[in-house]
Amino acid sequence: EAQVTQNPRYLITVTGKKLTVTCSQNMNHEYMSWYRQDPGLGLRQIYYSMNVEVTDKGDVPEGYKVSRKEKRNFPLILESPSPNQTSLYFCASSLGPRLALYNEQFFGPGTRLTVL
Amino acid sequence: AQSVTQLDSQVPVFEEAPVELRCNYSSSVSVYLFWYVQYPNQGLQLLLKYLSGSTLVKGINGFEAEFNKSQTSFHLRKPSVHISDTAEYFCAVTHSNFGNEKLTFGTGTRLTIIP
Repeated sequence: EAQVTQNPRYLITVTGKKLTVTCSQNMNHEYMSWYRQDPGLGLRQIYYSMNVEVTDKGDVPEGYKVSRKEKRNFPLILESPSPNQTSLYFCASSLGPRLALYNEQFFGPGTRLTVL
Repeated sequence: AQSVTQLDSQVPVFEEAPVELRCNYSSSVSVYLFWYVQYPNQGLQLLLKYLSGSTLVKGINGFEAEFNKSQTSFHLRKPSVHISDTAEYFCAVTHSNFGNEKLTFGTGTRLTIIP
């Protein structure tokens, strides 16, 4: 089954404790992206990657890091989490960066992160 | 820069009644428009998209949307809603930007179906 998986689905942590949220897709997609969803703000892009070893900042990259060492994986790293990073995080992938041409962007089920 | 406005944060509708969820966008270039649905505790799923051509776009689950360039709108409609349509709906816009064709999302509209 074609899918985007994220782990963990739920995470409660404390300020400053490094964490990684994993994202994996099995569709051989080139383009992957991380979004955060906050009430009243919709989804905002954190980072994106157009292929292996190619990543760039989205709209709200501060406090986050990513890596793309393999095509299927795109982990999101919070080196020193803070309470303002409490949010619902979504990983997404698509065949290529041209969303309109390459059909839809597939979303993972989300990771709900709480930073105390 | 592009932006999306969803004026209604919550829309309650009786079952089998029609519904319209409003979306307005702003952009200085040609855009592609999308509607996504998010069911409780799930990720986003594409409902429909407008790329070019016919301004009336049909999507899954009986939804349709009409692109209106003069009014910069892309409203979502369904003639008769079902309990299973209870979800949050997001309008999104993108344009070709030589690379990161990222989606800019609206703030979402929570559709609640009243039995």
